[in-house]
Amino acid sequence: KAGVTQTPRYLIKTRGQQVTLSCSPISGHRSVSWYQQTPGQGLQFLFEYFSETQRNKGNFPGRFSGRQFSNSRSEMNVSTLELGDSALYLCASSLLVPGNTEAFFGQGTRLTVV
Amino acid sequence: AQSVTQLDSQVPVFEEAPVELRCNYSSSVSVYLFWYVQYPNQGLQLLLKYLSGSTLVKGINGFEAEFNKSQTSFHLRKPSVHISDTAEYFCAVSPAQGGSEKLVFGKGTKLTVNP
Repeated sequence: KAGVTQTPRYLIKTRGQQVTLSCSPISGHRSVSWYQQTPGQGLQFLFEYFSETQRNKGNFPGRFSGRQFSNSRSEMNVSTLELGDSALYLCASSLLVPGNTEAFFGQGTRLTVV
Repeated sequence: AQSVTQLDSQVPVFEEAPVELRCNYSSSVSVYLFWYVQYPNQGLQLLLKYLSGSTLVKGINGFEAEFNKSQTSFHLRKPSVHISDTAEYFCAVSPAQGGSEKLVFGKGTKLTVNP
């Protein structure tokens, strides 16, 4: 069974540009969440999607957006990149079964903004 | 809202010694509790989880954790560590109701196992 796949693994962008990151969940998982990991702030929740609907959103500016497609694949977009957006972006998928929750994480996309 | 405090940012130990990584949480609602491990340049791997039932939870790689509701703690333990356990460990919580998978993480504890 394939795990959560995130593409690309590494990305270098210039300030002011925009970027799109992709996440393919485990087959059958309909819930996808995104997290930002930085040395200073640690792991912070960005968004959660289920069946193409955003269920939760973290405390990030509007430059951060996401979406989920009918096949449960998800993308997140960051516009007008800032140096502080440099981070490891992690995607997690789950079945979202009540009473048996477990999130499976991808290997992440390392974004460097220069 | 939930918050998680990992009391030690770094823990150095010698190989074959026991280790305890401490985690305390705060929440106004019931939560599920998790420990994840992260190796360099990798994503997060679930070590163990507490959803309900027995407060002593056993996970992979010989790790276990005990949920203490009165002390709002979920400390991770291993009786004998190996060099390969060197990694960063994260404690996390998510709300038990509401159908959300949103995880709130602690800042992490870097475990270094020395020969």
